[in-house]
Amino acid sequence: SQQGEEDPQALSIQEGENATMNCSYKTSINNLQWYRQNSGRGLVHLILIRSNEREKHSGRLRVTLDTSKKSSSLLITASRAADTASYFCATERLGAQKLVFGQGTRLTINP
Amino acid sequence: SQTIHQWPATLVQPVGSPLSLECTVEGTSNPNLYWYRQAAGRGLQLLFYSVGIGQISSEVPQNLSASRPQDRQFILSSKKLLLSDSGFYLCAWSLGRTYTGELFFGEGSRLTVL
Repeated sequence: SQQGEEDPQALSIQEGENATMNCSYKTSINNLQWYRQNSGRGLVHLILIRSNEREKHSGRLRVTLDTSKKSSSLLITASRAADTASYFCATERLGAQKLVFGQGTRLTINP
Repeated sequence: SQTIHQWPATLVQPVGSPLSLECTVEGTSNPNLYWYRQAAGRGLQLLFYSVGIGQISSEVPQNLSASRPQDRQFILSSKKLLLSDSGFYLCAWSLGRTYTGELFFGEGSRLTVL
């Protein structure tokens, strides 16, 4: 079963705008990760946030984690056409050495 | 540096035929290895994972099997393919011991069963 659920399923914005994607999950976790997938390619790791962390930054990416609400958000600032891709959150449940992925958000950046 | 190779990249197989997808990792030792399947426009479904040679955990009951004959080799197999086996198969590795950590993915194998 899917642990993470991303919202929205699809997002289309103009270049230069910020893009926000959300992820909700159901059980207690060790960590939550975000991945990016270009069409027809493998996934690329973006950022990992541990359960005891609330916010993390990497370049134009900002990830937040609210364990009380079992939710996370991924913010991409100053979007570029090259950011067009699908974005997935993945969670590792406590005691499990495996990641469970959500259905993803398809992000389209219009030039 | 570490690399992951997955092949074949694309294959078209008739229903009832066998399947073998191979994945190898270079530049690291004793990785955790994973097989995921992705249906068109959907998320990833974990099929199998392995934390060591000969150690395979199955997540979804189906007609697929996995084997790890060597430390950095992971093979996905089927004796008789079904139409529902079509999809994009992704191999991945990680070095996590107490937790999974970052997954590194191959470029995927697209399987079409006709």
